[in-house]
Amino acid sequence: AQTVTQSQPEMSVQEAETVTLSCTYDTSESDYYLFWYKQPPSRQMILVIRQEAYKQQNATENRFSVNFQKAAKSFSLKISDSQLGDAAMYFCAYRGSDTGNQFYFGTGTSLTVIP
Amino acid sequence: NAGVTQTPKFRILKIGQSMTLQCAQDMNHNYMYWYRQDPGMGLKLIYYSVGAGITDKGEVPNGYNVSRSTTEDFPLRLELAAPSQTSVYFCASSYTGTGVLNGYTFGSGTRLTVV
Repeated sequence: AQTVTQSQPEMSVQEAETVTLSCTYDTSESDYYLFWYKQPPSRQMILVIRQEAYKQQNATENRFSVNFQKAAKSFSLKISDSQLGDAAMYFCAYRGSDTGNQFYFGTGTSLTVIP
Repeated sequence: NAGVTQTPKFRILKIGQSMTLQCAQDMNHNYMYWYRQDPGMGLKLIYYSVGAGITDKGEVPNGYNVSRSTTEDFPLRLELAAPSQTSVYFCASSYTGTGVLNGYTFGSGTRLTVV
């Protein structure tokens, strides 16, 4: 099975500053998708951003962007101009094209935003 | 509002009791999933379904059963509850189609405690 590793259990950032959350994955597939999900204290899982492996251009959604390094199997999330509402648990997820649509999740990074 | 509806939100079970976690989606998604989320462990797939009448085991299926009699509903049954099943359970759905990048739509979760 594919594995997804988030090596930072906890991170903190000052409000309005930038923070980067790390994610690495292991796969033998060439075609796959990567996602970042946000889980606030409400427990609801919210899709933040997605990236197709065949695209070289890094995905961007407003203040959220990724640094996708396919050769290194790295998929980090950058949050710019951090806001108090960004405080949450963030999960990196992998979905391969041959894995029956199953997602594999990392163990999460808890982000604290300091006012 | 369209989405994935999970009930109940909270439940306390005694060891050996049984219960069913309900999940319904109104987006006509063909794929549905059950995950459990343990602290520090990310999300683990319990069961999934690729369509009505079809179910398959995920990583951690022991102690659970599912059925998918309709496209909309995907209940998770716990038989003979054990303390190891104390967790937060998430139902999710997605649409699979050629060329479609599919993220999950998650329910709001069920916090289950077995005592």
